[in-house]
Amino acid sequence: LAKTTQPISMDSYEGQEVNITCSHNNIATNDYITWYQQFPSQGPRFIIQGYKTKVTNEVASLFIPADRKSSTLSLPRVSLSDTAVYYCLVGLESGTYKYIFGTGTRLKVLA
Amino acid sequence: GAGVSQSPSNKVTEKGKDVELRCDPISGHTALYWYRQSLGQGLEFLIYFQGNSAPDKSGLPSDRFSAERTGGSVSTLTIQRTQQEDSAVYLCASSLGGQRSYGYTFGSGTRLTVV
Repeated sequence: LAKTTQPISMDSYEGQEVNITCSHNNIATNDYITWYQQFPSQGPRFIIQGYKTKVTNEVASLFIPADRKSSTLSLPRVSLSDTAVYYCLVGLESGTYKYIFGTGTRLKVLA
Repeated sequence: GAGVSQSPSNKVTEKGKDVELRCDPISGHTALYWYRQSLGQGLEFLIYFQGNSAPDKSGLPSDRFSAERTGGSVSTLTIQRTQQEDSAVYLCASSLGGQRSYGYTFGSGTRLTVV
């Protein structure tokens, strides 16, 4: 069954850079890769989206290799408020709208 | 509205009862999605609407689940004869279109507890 996988959890200290990788071997052609952040009792919140190479916005960077079978979310200089669960979202079936969330990575930022 | 609104925010129901969950998407968003998140788990795709039609219902877990969308706006997810395994947070998201380049905006979800 096609799916996406992420590390279950990560710990980091304030001020460090955090990189979270999502593996999506069967990503649909021409599909985008999107990352979301979720706090307890809230819906996921859009962070960043890309198709290939590198994308950067005010909060994160997204690195996508040429084969697009994985992607890495990079959070620079994390703070305590970045403690959350991070999900990647990709389409795994061309021609459908079935977007599959990754398993989620629980990031804990320590003081 | 300014964001995606879901109601009720919490629902406790007895096993065997029917429940309706409502999603009011952002005005102008033609695409609408329902996901389910069980306690401590990831997000499970349920159904997708483009306008009022649902081209992908493959994620609905059983025939007890149904959804509709009217006027290209409000959507209702109905669960008939609820079971304890239906307990979860049901999340709705909307986007400008079905194109994969559009990001979702999620509501805060409805927490359903079946007792």
